[in-house]
Amino acid sequence: GAVVSQHPSRVICKSGTSVKIECRSLDFQATTMFWYRQFPKQSLMLMATSNEGSKATYEQGVEKDKFLINHASLTLSTLTVTSAHPEDSSFYICSATDRASSYEQYFGPGTRLTVT
Amino acid sequence: RKEVEQDPGPFNVPEGATVAFNCTYSNSASQSFFWYRQDCRKEPKLLMSVYSSGNEDGRFTAQLNRASQYISLLIRDSKLSDSATYLCVVNAQGGSEKLVFGKGTKLTVNP
Repeated sequence: GAVVSQHPSRVICKSGTSVKIECRSLDFQATTMFWYRQFPKQSLMLMATSNEGSKATYEQGVEKDKFLINHASLTLSTLTVTSAHPEDSSFYICSATDRASSYEQYFGPGTRLTVT
Repeated sequence: RKEVEQDPGPFNVPEGATVAFNCTYSNSASQSFFWYRQDCRKEPKLLMSVYSSGNEDGRFTAQLNRASQYISLLIRDSKLSDSATYLCVVNAQGGSEKLVFGKGTKLTVNP
């Protein structure tokens, strides 16, 4: 099956700093990538939809100036958490759609962010 | 009403047991339905898509009732390796690629 990677897998940062998370589709071109956040014992919540070459579409309640998304190529999307705070600590997961497999989203392994 | 609701669980069953998970969704425009499994501190992995006529994959059987907006997953002859959280997932609406996840039901299969 299609492979999606994320980097880093785990990051600890201090409050006020920015953190960049990369999501790559390794063996297919992903026109669309999705960014999710999952708090402990909660469901995955979609944060934004990232389209190659255009601005991301953010879900209601997600601050676009805080969570910067860039999708510069068909295989790479990045999420930057700016001025991170402890409440941003969460499990961030990206996914990518392989258009050859309609609606099937392949998930990256996730990035566990801890803000101290 | 939450968009996707699942049995709260957790379910603790012995090896070999049959276990069923239920799920309801609120958006009648949803057209794609899935069950994912998620292991602790890992990403979700697709277990199976759910089709209108119902479908089976080995020990796993999924059913869909569009009229009731209800989805189920049946696991027969459960194995220790089936221990995970099972996520009911639907697409947001119509042709949308956006997925909406249930909170998940945790299953523990005991020896």
